[in-house]
Parts: sequence; C-alpha cells; structure tokens
Amino acid sequence: AQKVTQAQTEISVVEKEDVTLDCVYETRDTTYYLFWYKQPPSGELVFLIRRNSFDEQNEISGRYSWNFQKSTSSFNFTITASQVVDSAVYFCALSEQGGSEKLVFGKGTKLTVNP
Amino acid sequence: DAGVIQSPRHEVTEMGQEVTLRCKPISGHDYLFWYRQTMMRGLELLIYFNNNVPIDDSGMPEDRFSAKMPNASFSTLKIQPSEPRDSAVYFCASSPTGLAGNTIYFGEGSWLTVV
Repeated sequence: AQKVTQAQTEISVVEKEDVTLDCVYETRDTTYYLFWYKQPPSGELVFLIRRNSFDEQNEISGRYSWNFQKSTSSFNFTITASQVVDSAVYFCALSEQGGSEKLVFGKGTKLTVNP
Repeated sequence: DAGVIQSPRHEVTEMGQEVTLRCKPISGHDYLFWYRQTMMRGLELLIYFNNNVPIDDSGMPEDRFSAKMPNASFSTLKIQPSEPRDSAVYFCASSPTGLAGNTIYFGEGSWLTVV
C-alpha cells in the first residue's frame, strides 16, 4: 500500500535561512507520481510541483528546489533564503499509476519563518 | 481563469442537521475529487468522479455521507444527519485528465463545524 511519511512535524527557522523538508514514500508500483502542496494560514492548498517516477532530475524554481532520489524513496523540498511568506504547512503526496486516482498525503510539516 | 469554487466557505450547524457542500470544478476538467482534512487523519480522499460518474467511494466514511455530480460543472457532498465528528475542512478538487497525466487543483475548502 502507498504511504508517505513526513517525519518533521514542525520546523522553525529565521528569515534567510535555508530549510529542507523531508518526504519519504512507500509504493510497490514502478510508475508513480509525487507532489508537493503548500497550505498557508488562509487554508487553501496550493500546488507546487509534480514529478513522475521516471524523472529523477532535480528541479529548481526560484528559491524552491526538489531532490528526488529513488534509491532512498525520498522527495525532499528545500527553500533557500526563506522568507516570512513561506510560513505554511507543506504536504508531500503520492499517487500510484496502478491504483485508483488517489492522492495519498503525508501528515504535513509546519514551517514557521521568523523575521 | 476561475479555480475550483466551493460553497459555503464556513458552516456551523447543529448535530442532526443536514449539511450540503457544493463544488464547481474548473471548466473542462474530467475528474472531480472530494477530500476531507482533520487533525487526526490528515487529508484523505472521500470519493472521486470521472466524467460525472462516481469511480471510487471507498473513502466515504459511512452511509450518512453521499456525493453526486449531476453535470460536469456541479457536485455536492451531503451529510445527513451530521455529527460533531464530521467537523473538518472539506476540499473539492478537479483535474483535467487524472493524476497520471496531470495534477489536481484544490478549491479553498469548506470549513464545517457541527456542534
């Protein structure tokens, strides 16, 4: 069965620090998709990135970067030079191609960036 | 472009009352999902539709919950009778082609409190 673990429940940093949010997943499928979503204090879920299992290239988008490593079943998210506006709960999620159209979420990591 | 639209945004109701949550997906999206978010269980899929047809309702907690999608632009999630443990944020989401080819986009959520 598919499972996503975000071991860090809460992280607190000071503005301009770099921070990495960990995500470890479990799946038996060879084809699967990984996602990150951001939930700011206002409550909506904002899509950040989608990655398929055949694409292990790291991705960078501005201050955000993602490190996908199949060997360790991890899909970690790094924010460089964090800002107060990055304060949110971040969710990692997994979908298996062989299963239902189900997105299984981790429990989330609450990031607080202090000025 | 309009995103997924949910109503009501907030609802407080008394135990035993019927609750109806509404959702308008993004135009042209073939998939519609209902998720629930609670502190205890996190984000979990309740049901999803493909082309207005319910495909997987295994996440619906019990018979008190029902969902319909009478047309491509409207869906409802109904709880009857409501109970305090139904208090949660209910998210509607839609996707153009499903998770194998795309991501899903969430609405802002309906915050339900049952007292």
